[in-house]
Amino acid sequence: DAKTTQPPSMDCAEGRAANLPCNHSTISGNEYVYWYRQIHSQGPQYIIHGLKNNETNEMASLIITEDRKSSTLILPHATLRDTAVYYCIGPLSGSARQLTFGSGTQLTVLP
Amino acid sequence: NAGVTQTPKFRILKIGQSMTLQCAQDMNHNYMYWYRQDPGMGLKLIYYSVGAGITDKGEVPNGYNVSRSTTEDFPLRLELAAPSQTSVYFCASRQGPGRSPYNEQFFGPGTRLTVL
Repeated sequence: DAKTTQPPSMDCAEGRAANLPCNHSTISGNEYVYWYRQIHSQGPQYIIHGLKNNETNEMASLIITEDRKSSTLILPHATLRDTAVYYCIGPLSGSARQLTFGSGTQLTVLP
Repeated sequence: NAGVTQTPKFRILKIGQSMTLQCAQDMNHNYMYWYRQDPGMGLKLIYYSVGAGITDKGEVPNGYNVSRSTTEDFPLRLELAAPSQTSVYFCASRQGPGRSPYNEQFFGPGTRLTVL
């Protein structure tokens, strides 16, 4: 059974921020949430992960609610090349051996 | 580093034929994975390995076999190919748990397999 819930699709205007939500209400203890994306026909690519604090890297920001039951991936200035399927994965402990990919959110960046 | 490499890129098999999908990584990663992705669907884990000589089943192992004789290579064997095995196959690797709580999983470019 999927442990995360994401909307199946979203649109975003080019240059605007893309906010992709994920619910992970069963998260507990030292479990992380991970985000990957898959651009058409390519292998998935790691974006970011978080435990309880907000995180930022060169690709995106991850905002985690105080109760940790949901999070939002933010692409601050979406470009056409950000069109992809975005997977929210977890919650998993840091020592987990496997990543389980659900259906993800298809983000389409519109010109 | 070449990262994770997969061969072949494309292959068409007839029902009942066998083949081996090759996967290699040059990052000295301990963990390696095989996923399949059917059209419009997410990735499903077939098999994985946490080190040379150690393999374990994932979610959809039936019809496949793997071996891990070296750290670098993790081939996936299809015996008696069936149309249901038509899919894109991705190999991935990562270092494995260590001092850092998490490390990135790197994916290969995929092998597109059609069974007719």
